[in-house]
Amino acid sequence: KNEVEQSPQNLTAQEGEFITINCSYSVGISALHWLQQHPGGGIVSLFMLSSGKKKHGRLIATINIQEKHSSLHITASHPRDSAVYICAVQFSGSARQLTFGSGTQLTVLP
Amino acid sequence: DAGVIQSPRHEVTEMGQEVTLRCKPISGHDYLFWYRQTMMRGLELLIYFNNNVPIDDSGMPEDRFSAKMPNASFSTLKIQPSEPRDSAVYFCASSGTGILNEQFFGPGTRLTVL
Repeated sequence: KNEVEQSPQNLTAQEGEFITINCSYSVGISALHWLQQHPGGGIVSLFMLSSGKKKHGRLIATINIQEKHSSLHITASHPRDSAVYICAVQFSGSARQLTFGSGTQLTVLP
Repeated sequence: DAGVIQSPRHEVTEMGQEVTLRCKPISGHDYLFWYRQTMMRGLELLIYFNNNVPIDDSGMPEDRFSAKMPNASFSTLKIQPSEPRDSAVYFCASSGTGILNEQFFGPGTRLTVL
């Protein structure tokens, strides 16, 4: 069965802390997406990756294909980073379909 | 570009009524997706189109749901008749060609069925 698991479900951090959110999946993939859902509900694509590592500002996404695992890191976290972060996977052979993790609610306190 | 446009942003209706949600994808994108988000089930793919043709509708919950894409710039998701369990946020997303293109999401339509 094609599954995507995220951890933790909830995460509270102090401003400035280094944040890590994890995503694991069950079978081979063609791509993995990290999405951010703002408190107002809008969804933004942060990263799409199939191997290695990508960086954008204070956000870093890594993927280990052999271990079927990805991490999203936030350096020097800020209250404006508070959002739900969602991992979504395109499983191999599933064309464009995304299977979503349950999301991680991140709260960064000032 | 204005991004993916959805209307209405909020819809409140009574059980049994027909509901039509609308989506305008980003110009030039040839993939369009409809998703539903609920507290219980999170985000789920309902259906997606490629070049206006439905490719996979296995996520459509039942015959009360239907989706069309009459042209490259417009799609509708219709629920008839609506039920309280259809209450959710419905997102439309679009992406370009190539297997690894990211998806751009619309702001969503929050549907409440009383």
